[in-house]
Amino acid sequence: GESVGLHLPTLSVQEGDNSIINCAYSNSASDYFIWYKQESGKGPQFIIDIRSNMDKRQGQRVTVLLNKTVKHLSLQIAATQPGDSAVYFCAEVNQAGTALIFGKGTTLSVSS
Amino acid sequence: EAQVTQNPRYLITVTGKKLTVTCSQNMNHEYMSWYRQDPGLGLRQIYYSMNVEVTDKGDVPEGYKVSRKEKRNFPLILESPSPNQTSLYFCASSSTGVRQPQHFGDGTRLSIL
Repeated sequence: GESVGLHLPTLSVQEGDNSIINCAYSNSASDYFIWYKQESGKGPQFIIDIRSNMDKRQGQRVTVLLNKTVKHLSLQIAATQPGDSAVYFCAEVNQAGTALIFGKGTTLSVSS
Repeated sequence: EAQVTQNPRYLITVTGKKLTVTCSQNMNHEYMSWYRQDPGLGLRQIYYSMNVEVTDKGDVPEGYKVSRKEKRNFPLILESPSPNQTSLYFCASSSTGVRQPQHFGDGTRLSIL
């Protein structure tokens, strides 16, 4: 079946460090991937997305890398700030194109 | 402000008492969906709607109903709630489908006793 997983459930970094959150996906036919941030008591908030015809996409302080060969997705956050502390989810579109399949999340803790 | 609004945010109720969780978006989005979030299981889709009067089952539809009579509203109905439906529920919307950023509501925490 389809599944999207994350390598580490938690990640602790110092303020100002760069953070890298990893995700492995299983469906080699997936054509759309997305990262969400979820703060306590709130719904998932869109960070950045990438389509399968790209390897890299940059946003403000964030970069998503897609390696289709090994079915790996990563989110890089530059100069991590305390406000970046949250749970981060990767997701891919299911085979039917009707839903997002979410990974179980990585909790990012930023200490100052 | 563009948003997805869910009500109620919290509800404690008893087994078998019908309840409805409302969801409304003000972005004129065609696609809407419901997810439930459970520890260790992540977010799983319950139902989705591609447009008005078009709804379909997601991965975990048992025990739920939805309707889409208007573009902006997508209520989730639990006709006979059971304790295994205790969960955190999220409504989401996007312009035309899942290959676009989904806008999520802030969630509804349901406890079924």
